[in-house]
Amino acid sequence: GDSVTQMEGPVTLSEEACLTINCTYTATGYPSLFWYVQYPGEGLQLLLKATKADDKGSNKGFEATYRKETTSFHLEKGSVQVSDSAVYFCSASGNTPLVFGKGTRLSVIA
Amino acid sequence: NAGVTQTPKFRILKIGQSMTLQCAQDMNHNYMYWYRQDPGMGLKLIYYSVGAGITDKGEVPNGYNVSRSTTEDFPLRLELAAPSQTSVYFCASSGLAGVSFFGPGTRLTVL
Repeated sequence: GDSVTQMEGPVTLSEEACLTINCTYTATGYPSLFWYVQYPGEGLQLLLKATKADDKGSNKGFEATYRKETTSFHLEKGSVQVSDSAVYFCSASGNTPLVFGKGTRLSVIA
Repeated sequence: NAGVTQTPKFRILKIGQSMTLQCAQDMNHNYMYWYRQDPGMGLKLIYYSVGAGITDKGEVPNGYNVSRSTTEDFPLRLELAAPSQTSVYFCASSGLAGVSFFGPGTRLTVL
């Protein structure tokens, strides 16, 4: 079945540092790809998405590009803030129920 | 438009007790899901439904049951609660676009 593998954390960065969280997927066909974010004590919420190859999803300064040739959807941000501290989940939606990576905990320190 | 609602927010059960976690969505989504999230871990799919009257097992269905009599509601039943079921439970729904909307979660402790 479909699966997602993402970089395991935790990741600790100083404010204004660059962030990359790697994510690769295995799926039949061409799934839609998503990044979700979970702030402490809350449920998951959609951060960004891409529905076809070469699409770039972006939101709140985060970006991810759907790379079919490398089956990847890496999350990037050029300058992180303390408020970005959260757990980030990569996910894919193909012919099976939405599948999630294990999550990457990001801590940003001032 | 409330999105996905879950009740209760918190619950403590004794070993062997039963309970139902409620989930409702008002977005007319066909797909609904139940996940559990153990401390410091990712999400594991318990059960899912692709429409009223249709349910299917996910990765970790043992000890749980679901029903989907309406599009809106997708309750999760725990029979004979065990300490291993201590977790945070999230309900989610999605439409054709594939974006999932999550409820706020139910934190369950089994003692």
